Amino acid sequence: DSGVTQTPKHLITATGQRVTLRCSPRSGDLSVYWYQQSLDQGLQFLIQYYNGEERAKGNILERFSAQQFPDLHSELNLSSLELGDSALYFCASSLRGGGYEQYFGPGTRLTVT
Amino acid sequence: TQLLEQSPQFLSIQEGENLTVYCNSSSVFSSLQWYRQEPGEGPVLLVTVVTGGEVKKLKRLTFQFGDARKDSSLHITAAQPGDTGLYLCAGARATGKLIFGQGTTLQVKP
Repeated sequence: DSGVTQTPKHLITATGQRVTLRCSPRSGDLSVYWYQQSLDQGLQFLIQYYNGEERAKGNILERFSAQQFPDLHSELNLSSLELGDSALYFCASSLRGGGYEQYFGPGTRLTVT
Repeated sequence: TQLLEQSPQFLSIQEGENLTVYCNSSSVFSSLQWYRQEPGEGPVLLVTVVTGGEVKKLKRLTFQFGDARKDSSLHITAAQPGDTGLYLCAGARATGKLIFGQGTTLQVKP
């Protein structure tokens, strides 16, 4: 158990819908990262927050957005969902934001039908 | 463009054999991490290497960071079925962004 929690575990929704994925980092960690993992693309970095502020952006679509709240939990919002958005979404956390060890949550499996 | 190339992509061996997985890049990283992932679960951090030429051992696993901090290797001695899984290397940028390799799927048959 990494100490990072993610909810929900599974999510099935239809195209065009909007969903919110939630992540709670390990106690004491200030940085949260979001990743998307699909069979053909591997593990892709989406976005990073550090102590409430956006720190780095990866290949995140404009339909996707994220935020980190004062209690350090984070939410990833996915809107206008397409079939291709079906994937595993992981959250990771680290104490600092400088490329240090990241600890991953169990992931949310999103299926868009 | 895949910044981190892992090889081989797939490896199927018998219990007791040794193996090496390679992770290569043309870029320099501030650190390099190795993860192991089971199907449907999140990657689990195995080790972080920071210094060029660094070697770290974790029981039967030996990790090495290249002198120029562009490449790394994972060597497993006397592989066991419990070692089966997806092994991922990830290079860290100073911003915290991790660049992942495509992974090596290891199957160890009893």
